[in-house]
Amino acid sequence: EAQVTQNPRYLITVTGKKLTVTCSQNMNHEYMSWYRQDPGLGLRQIYYSMNVEVTDKGDVPEGYKVSRKEKRNFPLILESPSPNQTSLYFCASSYRGLSGELFFGEGSRLTVL
Amino acid sequence: DAKTTQPNSMESNEEEPVHLPCNHSTISGTDYIHWYRQLPSQGPEYVIHGLTSNVNNRMASLAIAEDRKSSTLILHRATLRDAAVYYCILRAAGSGNTGKLIFGQGTTLQVKP
Repeated sequence: EAQVTQNPRYLITVTGKKLTVTCSQNMNHEYMSWYRQDPGLGLRQIYYSMNVEVTDKGDVPEGYKVSRKEKRNFPLILESPSPNQTSLYFCASSYRGLSGELFFGEGSRLTVL
Repeated sequence: DAKTTQPNSMESNEEEPVHLPCNHSTISGTDYIHWYRQLPSQGPEYVIHGLTSNVNNRMASLAIAEDRKSSTLILHRATLRDAAVYYCILRAAGSGNTGKLIFGQGTTLQVKP
């Protein structure tokens, strides 16, 4: 089954404790992206990757890092999480081409105390 | 990056058609118009996309204005399961595809029985 898998789905952590949210897709998609969703602010793009070893900032990259060492994986790294990074995070992937339908993961709800 | 403008919310009665508008006056010639929806507690899912001509699929229809500065997502017979947030976004094709996507806050559709 074609899918985008995120882990963990839920996480409560404390300020400053490094964490990684993993994202994996099984559709051989070139494009992958991370979003955060906050009440009243909709979906905002954090980082995206057009292909392996190619990443770029979205609208809200501060406090986040990403890497794209393999085509299928695109982890989101919070080196020193802060309470303002409490949010619902979504990973998405697509072919890079014209059809470009985005497939989203189920989301990861992160709480930073 | 081209942005879209949508009404914050709309209401519909069950089994009636729904027309969800989207303005994208700064659209460029290579931008595809995509629609996604997000059901409660789920990740966004693809609905439909188009470039210039109107498009139909099993979920909905997409009507694109002749000047492409606006589009309308049409749900032919709304059901209670169509209650969701609907997002209209622009996705550049070819060399214009920078990977940056702006979702905005979308339109919250309420469907009344």
